[in-house]
Amino acid sequence: KQEVTQIPAALSVPEGENLVLNCSFTDSAIYNLQWFRQDPGKGLTSLLLIQSSQREQTSGRLNASLDKSSGRSTLYIAASQPGDSATYLCAVAGGNQFYFGTGTSLTVIP
Amino acid sequence: DTAVSQTPKYLVTQMGNDKSIKCEQNLGHDTMYWYKQDSKKFLKIMFSYNNKELIINETVPNRFSPKSPDKAHLNLHINSLELGDSAVYFCASSQAQGSTEAFFGQGTRLTVV
Repeated sequence: KQEVTQIPAALSVPEGENLVLNCSFTDSAIYNLQWFRQDPGKGLTSLLLIQSSQREQTSGRLNASLDKSSGRSTLYIAASQPGDSATYLCAVAGGNQFYFGTGTSLTVIP
Repeated sequence: DTAVSQTPKYLVTQMGNDKSIKCEQNLGHDTMYWYKQDSKKFLKIMFSYNNKELIINETVPNRFSPKSPDKAHLNLHINSLELGDSAVYFCASSQAQGSTEAFFGQGTRLTVV
């Protein structure tokens, strides 16, 4: 059964820093990997979707990479801003469902 | 125009009551899901439907009964609510079963008192 882990569980950085969030999964037979953002008390906002055949995707200050063979993905956030503060979730698609990681709670300090 | 919409957004109810959460998607997707997010923010699948047919039914008490009148709607009915049912419930949809991009609703925060 697919298991998804995110490290670190929480991260606090000063504004302007570049940072990396990590996601690992146990079964490499995936269709895609999606990164989401969740603000407190809110729903899930999709940030980036990487198909299993792709290595990375970029959107603005965000860059997500995927190494399917090693079961890893990273989300790189450049020049972090206080508005980036949220919980970041990765989800792996496979087995007729989406398996979620445990999330990384990010705080960007002004 | 919201892609996946859930109602209500908040639901506070007493133990033992029966309640329903409604979900609709206007994306033309074939597959819909219900996920439960616990107090530690972990999301776990409850059910998935593809073209109105039940595909996944995880270990969920039979007090929870999903209903899909058409492929654009997946409602969740909960009987005899218990304190442990308090959580945030998310509806989602995707074009195909667990293989294409997932779109989530805003969640329904259920509080059982």
